[in-house]
Amino acid sequence: GAVVSQHPSWVICKSGTSVKIECRSLDFQATTMFWYRQFPKQSLMLMATSNEGSKATYEQGVEKDKFLINHASLTLSTLTVTSAHPEDSSFYICSARREGSYSEQFFGPGTRLTVL
Amino acid sequence: LAKTTQPISMDSYEGQEVNITCSHNNIATNDYITWYQQFPSQGPRFIIQGYKTKVTNEVASLFIPADRKSSTLSLPRVSLSDTAVYYCLVGQKGGATNKLIFGTGTLLAVQP
Repeated sequence: GAVVSQHPSWVICKSGTSVKIECRSLDFQATTMFWYRQFPKQSLMLMATSNEGSKATYEQGVEKDKFLINHASLTLSTLTVTSAHPEDSSFYICSARREGSYSEQFFGPGTRLTVL
Repeated sequence: LAKTTQPISMDSYEGQEVNITCSHNNIATNDYITWYQQFPSQGPRFIIQGYKTKVTNEVASLFIPADRKSSTLSLPRVSLSDTAVYYCLVGQKGGATNKLIFGTGTLLAVQP
C-alpha cells in the first residue's frame, strides 16, 4: 500500500512550451501533496505544498505563475511548468501525505524534465 | 524546522555495519526524526522514524540519545545495493502541512 505514481517519467520539450506532470496516490487519499525539484548531485528542494481544494503554498523564491499547481481531487495533483526554459530542466518529485496520518510521506518515482 | 547536519559521504565494504550520524541541535520537543534513502533518479524511500531511544525495523536501527540532539542510523551488513544517499529529517508529527526540508544527505558508497 501507499503507492505514489508520477506521469510522465520523463519528458523532453522545446523551450517556451508548457509541460504538465501528474502525481497520483494510487491506494490512499492524500489531502496534502508536495512538489520538489532536484538538480544533479543536489538535495531535494521543496517547491510547494498542494492542498486539495485550495491554493498551493509556494516556498520562497518559487514563481507561482511559472509553476502552476492544481490539486483537484484527493488522489491527484498536477504541476505545470509554463513557458519552460533550459534552466527548468530538472528532476521533479512529488510526495503525498496520507489523510489521517502523521509525518510519513510517500514519494513518487520522479519526472525527468529536459528543456531544449 | 530544525536544521540537520550529516557527513557528505561515507565509504564502506560489503558485509560491514554502517552508522550514519546526524546532528540536530535545535530539535524541538514535538519533533520526530526520520530517515529516507534515495537511489539515483528515484524518489526517496522511507527507512525509519523515531522519537527517542532506539527503534528497529527489518532494514535498519535508529539510535537517539537522551538529549535528542543527534541520531544515528545503523545499517547492518550492507550490500552493494545499499549504495545511495541517506537523508536525515526532523519535523513535527501532525500539523497542517508537515513540510519535509531535506538537507544535503550522506552519500554511502558500498564497495565489494
